[in-house]
Amino acid sequence: GENVEQHPSTLSVQEGDSAVIKCTYSDSASNYFPWYKQELGKGPQLIIDIRSNVGEKKDQRIAVTLNKTAKHFSLHITETQPEDSAVYFCAALNAGGTSYGKLTFGQGTILTVHP
Amino acid sequence: ETGVTQTPRHLVMGMTNKKSLKCEQHLGHNAMYWYKQSAKKPLELMFVYNFKEQTENNSVPSRFSPECPNSSHLFLHLHTLQPEDSALYLCASSRSGTANSPLHFGNGTRLTVT
Repeated sequence: GENVEQHPSTLSVQEGDSAVIKCTYSDSASNYFPWYKQELGKGPQLIIDIRSNVGEKKDQRIAVTLNKTAKHFSLHITETQPEDSAVYFCAALNAGGTSYGKLTFGQGTILTVHP
Repeated sequence: ETGVTQTPRHLVMGMTNKKSLKCEQHLGHNAMYWYKQSAKKPLELMFVYNFKEQTENNSVPSRFSPECPNSSHLFLHLHTLQPEDSALYLCASSRSGTANSPLHFGNGTRLTVT
């Protein structure tokens, strides 16, 4: 089955700096890679996703890059703000299969943005 | 407001109790999921329902019993739980059971088994 490794487990940055979180996956058939943000006391919320037919996707201050050859993908947050502080999860899925919603999640990264 | 509502938000139960977790989605989705979130572990998929039919049971012990009466409601019935079952239980929904429909999560039920 799929295995997703996420690093770092904790990340501390100053407001305005950039933050990068990296994930690797094992199943070369995986082709859908979402990122979720989980704030304290809330459930995970989808912030961006990428499919394997593109190498990069951007939405305002967040971007995701995908390297299918190396089987890794990364989340980039620029101009970080204190409200970006949360736990971030990557996930991977073989969307061509019949595994409905069977995302494999990384272990999570606790991001802290200091004012 | 996430569109997926879970009740109760917190639950404390003894190992001999029977309780139920409830999830309701207001997004018009057809697939619903239960996930378990434990400290320092990745999110674990427990059950998947697609158009009210269970399509996935990820080797979950029988002390957890799901019920999906319609596409908008999902329950998780609990009985004779163990302390290691203490965790945050998250419900999610998606537009359909197709694998890459984005998941929408509720805010979870924090369960403590004493």
